[in-house]
Amino acid sequence: KQEVTQIPAALSVPEGENLVLNCSFTDSAIYNLQWFRQDPGKGLTSLLLIQSSQREQTSGRLNASLDKSSGRSTLYIAASQPGDSATYLCLSAGNNRKLIWGLGTSLAVNP
Amino acid sequence: GAGVSQTPSNKVTEKGKYVELRCDPISGHTALYWYRQSLGQGPEFLIYFQGTGAADDSGLPNDRFFAVRPEGSVSTLKIQRTERGDSAMYLCASSDPGAGANVLTFGAGSRLTVL
Repeated sequence: KQEVTQIPAALSVPEGENLVLNCSFTDSAIYNLQWFRQDPGKGLTSLLLIQSSQREQTSGRLNASLDKSSGRSTLYIAASQPGDSATYLCLSAGNNRKLIWGLGTSLAVNP
Repeated sequence: GAGVSQTPSNKVTEKGKYVELRCDPISGHTALYWYRQSLGQGPEFLIYFQGTGAADDSGLPNDRFFAVRPEGSVSTLKIQRTERGDSAMYLCASSDPGAGANVLTFGAGSRLTVL
């Protein structure tokens, strides 16, 4: 059974720290990987998408990397802010259009 | 439209009632997905449409759940004889598979509460 695992499940950091969220996947034939943000009780906002042919994508203070050989993606958040507090989910898309979600990392950035 | 629109944003109903949730995808997106998400959980796949047809409905939990997309754009998720366990956030996403496959854009969700 193909899976996506996100570690840690929860993270609390002081404002200003650089931090890394991890996503591991078992599908070696991944087509792309997408990172989402979800605020409590809200829908999902797409942050970054990495195609299987790419190594990383950057948007502002966010950088996502993809290493297919090791089955890992990381989301790097620079200079974290209280407004970054949310749950971050990764979604892997396989070549057969199979979509698999991680359970998310709940991030709290404390002022 | 510019984004995926879901209505209603909030629905409170009584056990046993019938509920419809609507999703209006991004114009031109042929793929449409329904997920539901319980508190503290990741999204749970329900059904995937490609055009008008349900390409994969393996996630529908039982026959009380049904979804349609008659014209290949707007989709309606229908829940009969609602139960308290149906309470969740129902999320809809659309994508344009021809433009790069499985890049999902989500709506804000419809929160269903069954009393």
